[in-house]
Amino acid sequence: DAGITQSPRHKVTETGTPVTLRCHQTENHRYMYWYRQDPGHGLRLIHYSYGVKDTDKGEVSDGYSVSRSKTEDFLLTLESATSSQTSVYFCAISERYTQYFGPGTRLTVL
Amino acid sequence: KQEVTQIPAALSVPEGENLVLNCSFTDSAIYNLQWFRQDPGKGLTSLLLIQSSQREQTSGRLNASLDKSSGRSTLYIAASQPGDSATYLCAVEISSGSARQLTFGSGTQLTVLP
Repeated sequence: DAGITQSPRHKVTETGTPVTLRCHQTENHRYMYWYRQDPGHGLRLIHYSYGVKDTDKGEVSDGYSVSRSKTEDFLLTLESATSSQTSVYFCAISERYTQYFGPGTRLTVL
Repeated sequence: KQEVTQIPAALSVPEGENLVLNCSFTDSAIYNLQWFRQDPGKGLTSLLLIQSSQREQTSGRLNASLDKSSGRSTLYIAASQPGDSATYLCAVEISSGSARQLTFGSGTQLTVLP
């Protein structure tokens, strides 16, 4: 699992509330990614980071922001959660030619 | 924009059968193609990676092929077992922005019946 943990693993929240998901890695990888997975869509890239304080947008970045103040942590924030952001969120790191994924966070926005 | 399609979306086979999962992509400018396995409620596990200059890769009962010119890949599973039941996703790695990125298909849900 390349030392990747995500917290929380499950969260239920209400529309309009802010939510922050955390991805933590223990092996000093430079590249980190946030994906969301929805039925019929596979995984879609939200944001990624290529170093401390270096981030960029992915395919579905609207409504999300990220921060990376230290190598081991990559935070995904929903400033004002909406029901369309109900999903399973995966963090990943890149090593050599492949990516290794965390266990996922299931987020439900009511 | 790169698009990745996997057919079929679901497949059910009896134990012991050989099977093929299909993946197609629209843009041949890829670094590599990967096949992942996802068990229910879990993350993704990389199964096979084929570099763009390669034609196939094998690991145990799994064999993946890549035809970049036609935009197709197949994952062959020999002598399927109930433990192979999972969702299989293919992904192509492309260059975009400041990092290489993966574009995923929506997966094939495989059920192997005892």
